[in-house]
Amino acid sequence: QVQLVESGGGVVQPGRSLRLSCTASGFTFTTYGMHWVRQAPGKGLEWVAVIWYDGSNKYYAESVQGRFTISRDNSHNTLYLQMSSLRAEDTAVYYCAREKNGIWSPFDIWGQGTMVTVSS
Amino acid sequence: EIVLTQSPGTLSLSPGERATLSCRASQGVRSSYLAWYQQKPGQAPRLLIYGASSRATGIPDRFSGSGSGTDFTLTISRLEPEDFAVYYCQQYGSSPYTFGQGTKLEIK
Repeated sequence: QVQLVESGGGVVQPGRSLRLSCTASGFTFTTYGMHWVRQAPGKGLEWVAVIWYDGSNKYYAESVQGRFTISRDNSHNTLYLQMSSLRAEDTAVYYCAREKNGIWSPFDIWGQGTMVTVSS
Repeated sequence: EIVLTQSPGTLSLSPGERATLSCRASQGVRSSYLAWYQQKPGQAPRLLIYGASSRATGIPDRFSGSGSGTDFTLTISRLEPEDFAVYYCQQYGSSPYTFGQGTKLEIK
């Protein structure tokens, strides 16, 4: 079935780096734009980044611009989020999500999330 | 950046009642690119409504969305026990994509 599975979360010290992965299955990954969305403990949803289906365009939230990099490997149906210079305020559950149908569409499939804790 | 403000913050109702949730945008949402999501504790969000008024696949018809421009509404016509959750609106017509802060729908 259509599925997204995140991995790579964990506890990391401030200033360090971490890479998250999101493996897709059950659909043609190469035709969908993909997003990362995060949720700090007890808080609401915050959009983080988007990458177009072919990787040609990427956009970021101001809060992560210059520190996080979204990428994808279409040959392995995998989405990535490289996070560097991590801060305590980056602590959150990170979800990957699929665009429903093309650019500027809602997110119809979500992963279960992976927890990132930034703490010394 | 389009700021979305949801009201009320918490809504206390009983099963069988009607719920009306509001989402107001700081500027017009392009082409009514406004979605609603439901999130239960420990779960990922689930898409309910997109394009302001279209139900996503598998969503019961007791959920309906309306509105345009800057004012949008999610209505649950008759609450079922499984509807008690947090609801978020989202605009996806311009970057950065933004979410409202959420409305918690709790059992009275």
